[in-house]
Amino acid sequence: AQSVAQPEDQVNVAEGNPLTVKCTYSVSGNPYLFWYVQYPNRGLQFLLKYITGDNLVKGSYGFEAEFNKSQTSFHLKKPSALVSDSALYFCAVREGNNDMRFGAGTRLTVKP
Amino acid sequence: EAQVTQNPRYLITVTGKKLTVTCSQNMNHEYMSWYRQDPGLGLRQIYYSMNVEVTDKGDVPEGYKVSRKEKRNFPLILESPSPNQTSLYFCASRIGQGNSPLHFGNGTRLTVT
Repeated sequence: AQSVAQPEDQVNVAEGNPLTVKCTYSVSGNPYLFWYVQYPNRGLQFLLKYITGDNLVKGSYGFEAEFNKSQTSFHLKKPSALVSDSALYFCAVREGNNDMRFGAGTRLTVKP
Repeated sequence: EAQVTQNPRYLITVTGKKLTVTCSQNMNHEYMSWYRQDPGLGLRQIYYSMNVEVTDKGDVPEGYKVSRKEKRNFPLILESPSPNQTSLYFCASRIGQGNSPLHFGNGTRLTVT
């Protein structure tokens, strides 16, 4: 069965510093991996996805994610954090036509 | 504008009083789904629909019903709400391909007293 874990409930970074939000997954085959962001009182917004090919995926708002098959990880990164990046971030995995599984979410706080 | 629209945004009700949360998408998506979001648990799928007249249970379907009579609409029905159904609910849709992302509505915060 497919599953996804976000090991950190909370990540705090200073504005201008690089940020990483961690995600690990478990599937029996080849995964489709996604990152979503949720701002207060809003639904989840799609940031980026990995299907196949390049291990470094670029997405919206300057975010990128690195797929690592040997470590079964798909960490979200940004070189320079903004205060406006503060939000709840969800990693998700789908295998084939199975339905999407979401992690529990990581709250990112970027301090000025 | 392409969007998923849920109504109402906020709902407070009492135990046992039937309610419906509506969901509509204007993107001609085949797939639609309902999730509930609870702290520390992420999003859990309630029901999903691969196309018109096709619905299936997700991970937490107990106490919920859905229907898909038209492609654009996917209402969530709570026949007899209970306090453990107090949660934040999201409707989402996507095109049929498995690697396509979900598009989410803005959520419905339900409180059952």
